[in-house]
Amino acid sequence: SAVISQKPSRDICQRGTSLTIQCQVDSQVTMMFWYRQQPGQSLTLIATANQGSEATYESGFVIDKFPISRPNLTFSTLTVSNMSPEDSSIYLCSVYTLGLGGNEQFFGPGTRLTVL
Amino acid sequence: AQSVSQHNHHVILSEAASLELGCNYSYGGTVNLFWYVQYPGQHLQLLLKYFSGDPLVKGIKGFEAEFIKSKFSFNLRKPSVQWSDTAEYFCAVFPYNNNDMRFGAGTRLTVKP
Repeated sequence: SAVISQKPSRDICQRGTSLTIQCQVDSQVTMMFWYRQQPGQSLTLIATANQGSEATYESGFVIDKFPISRPNLTFSTLTVSNMSPEDSSIYLCSVYTLGLGGNEQFFGPGTRLTVL
Repeated sequence: AQSVSQHNHHVILSEAASLELGCNYSYGGTVNLFWYVQYPGQHLQLLLKYFSGDPLVKGIKGFEAEFIKSKFSFNLRKPSVQWSDTAEYFCAVFPYNNNDMRFGAGTRLTVKP
């Protein structure tokens, strides 16, 4: 299993500012992802955070808006840049582990972002 | 485009009714399949998962799901729902070709007491 922590747990930000969310995993994992869950909606994959190389972004998400770092196998950051109210959402860090007992995805507790 | 489809946006049932929520995916190759539940104001919770073996998997709280490879489906079932099952249910697929997890849009289940 994997235990994931995220900081901050929530924040209220002004339009035009940026927020960096940190994700820490208690074990080394290869696959780490960032998701967004907007109010009343499903989880949308933002990007796959790759260790030692640029993140892989999904359609509709770009590096300039959501820069991601992954300096090692246990840590990643997601920055929400130049925020607007439409960015208000829960941002989730997630890891996927492959094991003999089965594969499983673990989620962080999420960062609830409100943009005024 | 490759996707995960949940056909029912909102399902309303009375207690003790049987439940079946549909999930179809369009990814080829090997997949891992999951159902998650999200109770109001809470985090995602894993209900059950399939990665190999018996295509009928049993999860927590009396839920089960059947993987039908020929239909690219992984429907969730429960023979008798309870009021406490009121929640949002998400189907998720991990296609090995993509190496990431994709979620369906979710189905809101309301169980009337």
